[in-house]
Amino acid sequence: DARVTQTPRHKVTEMGQEVTMRCQPILGHNTVFWYRQTMMQGLELLAYFRNRAPLDDSGMPKDRFSAEMPDATLATLKIQPSEPRDSAVYFCASGLGLAHRRYEQYFGPGTRLTVT
Amino acid sequence: TQLLEQSPQFLSIQEGENLTVYCNSSSVFSSLQWYRQEPGEGPVLLVTVVTGGEVKKLKRLTFQFGDARKDSSLHITAAQPGDTGLYLCAGGKSNTGKLIFGQGTTLQVKP
Repeated sequence: DARVTQTPRHKVTEMGQEVTMRCQPILGHNTVFWYRQTMMQGLELLAYFRNRAPLDDSGMPKDRFSAEMPDATLATLKIQPSEPRDSAVYFCASGLGLAHRRYEQYFGPGTRLTVT
Repeated sequence: TQLLEQSPQFLSIQEGENLTVYCNSSSVFSSLQWYRQEPGEGPVLLVTVVTGGEVKKLKRLTFQFGDARKDSSLHITAAQPGDTGLYLCAGGKSNTGKLIFGQGTTLQVKP
């Protein structure tokens, strides 16, 4: 049963600390998305990659957030320094990127981040 | 700017009742998807509709894409407590695979 995995599932940290979230997309998927979900804003797209290349990170605060794909099996989202307003659930999703199924995204279980 | 508006935002019904959730936009989408999210989990894809007027059924769930590809509806027949969750619609607008999500409809089905 192929699934997107994310680590850690929960993270509590103090303001100013660095946070790194990791995602393993489904094997064979060539698009990876990072989302943030809050009660107020819902699901917001932060960044996404196709074939490991960043295509759009316009939803991401550039001064503190960075997203990378060191290889096809790992995507990372880093926040440095973290702030209380970053508290949210961060989801990674992957997709096949094929013409007829390019919009289908498969989500991981999320990382619940709390910044105190 | 919220491109996809879902209604209602919250819905609490008794088991066995029928319900419809709406997803509306002034924009045309290449495809429209519905996801369901349970507490502590990520959204799970239920269906993708791509053709204007298309209707898809998934057991007690019926999904419809508007003729102009600007809106969609999700109808649940004889709702069950297991249908409880957050229902999200999402539209694809470009060839990039990027989705725009609605704010979601929280459904509670009471036994």
